[in-house]
Amino acid sequence: DQQVKQNSPSLSVQEGRISILNCDYTNSMFDYFLWYKKYPAEGPTFLISISSIKDKNEDGRFTVFLNKSAKHLSLHIVPSQPGDSAVYFCAATRRTNFGNEKLTFGTGTRLTIIP
Amino acid sequence: DADVTQTPRNRITKTGKRIMLECSQTKGHDRMYWYRQDPGLGLRLIYYSFDVKDINKGEISDGYSVSRQAQAKFSLSLESAIPNQTALYFCATSRRGRKLFFGSGTQLSVL
Repeated sequence: DQQVKQNSPSLSVQEGRISILNCDYTNSMFDYFLWYKKYPAEGPTFLISISSIKDKNEDGRFTVFLNKSAKHLSLHIVPSQPGDSAVYFCAATRRTNFGNEKLTFGTGTRLTIIP
Repeated sequence: DADVTQTPRNRITKTGKRIMLECSQTKGHDRMYWYRQDPGLGLRLIYYSFDVKDINKGEISDGYSVSRQAQAKFSLSLESAIPNQTALYFCATSRRGRKLFFGSGTQLSVL
């Protein structure tokens, strides 16, 4: 049962344009969401996160939007740069008084920025 | 030096062999995790440990075992490797489940 889904395995975007990566989840108990970026031969690195009490979080060129009613989040990258070419993983978890539960990851979307 | 170090980086082994992947961290984090990555399947959790005396199975623990030798060390063992365990393996750490920090990965091939 895939609780976190990234339905687009790949995405190509022209340099300078907006990249939009999508993620859907099914578990309504999830209340904290993260995006990770992965380059070849490296481990994933944290990119940006959002709590369910917000619907938007920005960090420079990266913005994550959360639509709780639709159980959907998206990552926007503006403007897209060649160095953004990587695999992006969406992840979700539930916060408790003892810290977050384990992360559940999506299947990833490979983003290619075309110069 | 890397905060989360995995050894070896690459390993080729034969079906039926026992193999151990090792992970050490200098971040002082309490929690450690083992994930595997397969094309089209994303990152799937094998085992996780919230502290030295706490070990938990993840989504796909069959065929694997782990040992948390110290707060900084978490090893993954394949008792009798099989070809469908060929994958990229990642160790990760976190403080109370906040952001995960990953190692660089171990590419394992079972022939």
